[in-house]
Amino acid sequence: QIQLVQSGPELKKPGESVKISCKASGYTFTNYGMYWVKQAPGQGLQYMGWINTETGKPTYADDFKGRFVFFLETSASTAYLQINNLKNEDMATYFCARGGAAWWGQGTLVTVSS
Amino acid sequence: DVVMTQTPVSLSLAIGQPASISCKSSQSLLGTSGKTFLNWILQRPGQSPKRLIYQVSKLYSEVPDRFSGSGSETEFTLKISRVEAEDLGVYYCWQGTHFPYTFGAGTKLELK
Repeated sequence: QIQLVQSGPELKKPGESVKISCKASGYTFTNYGMYWVKQAPGQGLQYMGWINTETGKPTYADDFKGRFVFFLETSASTAYLQINNLKNEDMATYFCARGGAAWWGQGTLVTVSS
Repeated sequence: DVVMTQTPVSLSLAIGQPASISCKSSQSLLGTSGKTFLNWILQRPGQSPKRLIYQVSKLYSEVPDRFSGSGSETEFTLKISRVEAEDLGVYYCWQGTHFPYTFGAGTKLELK
């Protein structure tokens, strides 16, 4: 069955970096793009952008240009989200979702605290 | 960006009652392909979102037929014919026609 399994919760300090993984199984990884979605505590969902899993090309929504990086390890059917120079407002749960958002990862909570 | 406006913000209903959630977009979601990429998802408490409906009215295979979706252009509706306990959570509409894709703010369905 199709699964997206994300890495575990992270506790980071402001200014640090974090890397979140999203391992896909049950389908051909390169047949569907991968979305990334942010959910701040108690808030709704915010689309961050997506990565073309065939070409590796990322596309970012405006609010996520600069410090956010999407990349792949195609041989491992894994997509990554890296956030550099963490800020307090980055504290959130981050979801990966297969293109079309028919399948979602379980989410990764990133806590930013000094 | 396309703004998705959901109403109501919350619903408190008894088991067996019908539910209706409205979603309006700030511009038409009819794409150049002739398809309308308006979708609905449900996020149960403490869980990741789950798929419900895609392209306005198409139910995913595992979704009970008490759910239905309708609408066109800028106005869309999700209906539940008879609410069940497993339906509680936050419903989001989201559009996949215009980049960046955008979500509504959510409608919280609570049981009375």
